[in-house]
Amino acid sequence: EVQLVESGGGLVQRGGSLRLSCAGSGFTLSTYWMSWVRQAPGKGLEWVANIKQDGSEKHYVDSVKGRFTISRDNAKNSLYLQMNSLRAEDTAVYYCASNAFDIWGQGTMVTVSS
Amino acid sequence: QSALTQPASVSGSPGQSITISCTGTSSDIGGYKYVSWYQQHPGKAPKLIIYEVSNRPSGVSNRFSGSKSGNTASLTISGLQAEDETDYYCSSYTSSKTVVFGGGTKLTVL
Repeated sequence: EVQLVESGGGLVQRGGSLRLSCAGSGFTLSTYWMSWVRQAPGKGLEWVANIKQDGSEKHYVDSVKGRFTISRDNAKNSLYLQMNSLRAEDTAVYYCASNAFDIWGQGTMVTVSS
Repeated sequence: QSALTQPASVSGSPGQSITISCTGTSSDIGGYKYVSWYQQHPGKAPKLIIYEVSNRPSGVSNRFSGSKSGNTASLTISGLQAEDETDYYCSSYTSSKTVVFGGGTKLTVL
């Protein structure tokens, strides 16, 4: 079964850091561009970042540039999102997904307290 | 990186057809074939229902169809069913090599 499973979410204070992980199974994650997408409570979807298969190219939404870093470890079939200088507006469910968005994880909740 | 524009809500009766629009610019929808649509039930991850403007993934009902004209993409759901009542989102690849989503549309089946 093709699956993505996120982990690492939780409650963090404003200005703090958190690292999200996304483990793939049932497919070879290394062959896909991958993305992180978030959804604030009661709000719509917001694309956050993506990364090329070999990690050589990365793109971010303006609101997280300089604070978030996307990375991957193809040997571990895994994707990561390092989130620093967290703000209240970063509170959301974070999903990892293939860049074609045909594969999604179940999401992990990040809550930034002020 | 402004969000694509979708109507906040649409409604229709069972058996009818509805269309949800998604408006962007020449730097996203108008410039690329990489427009997708998603269905999201409460508390669940989004599900891809249309990719590359008008293609359906395997297993998605043929009641769902997509199209594009200029900077506006559209999702049409025919033969509305009660189970179609939920949220729908569009997305597009952009000239900055990023992705932008629409604000979402809540579909109500009357």
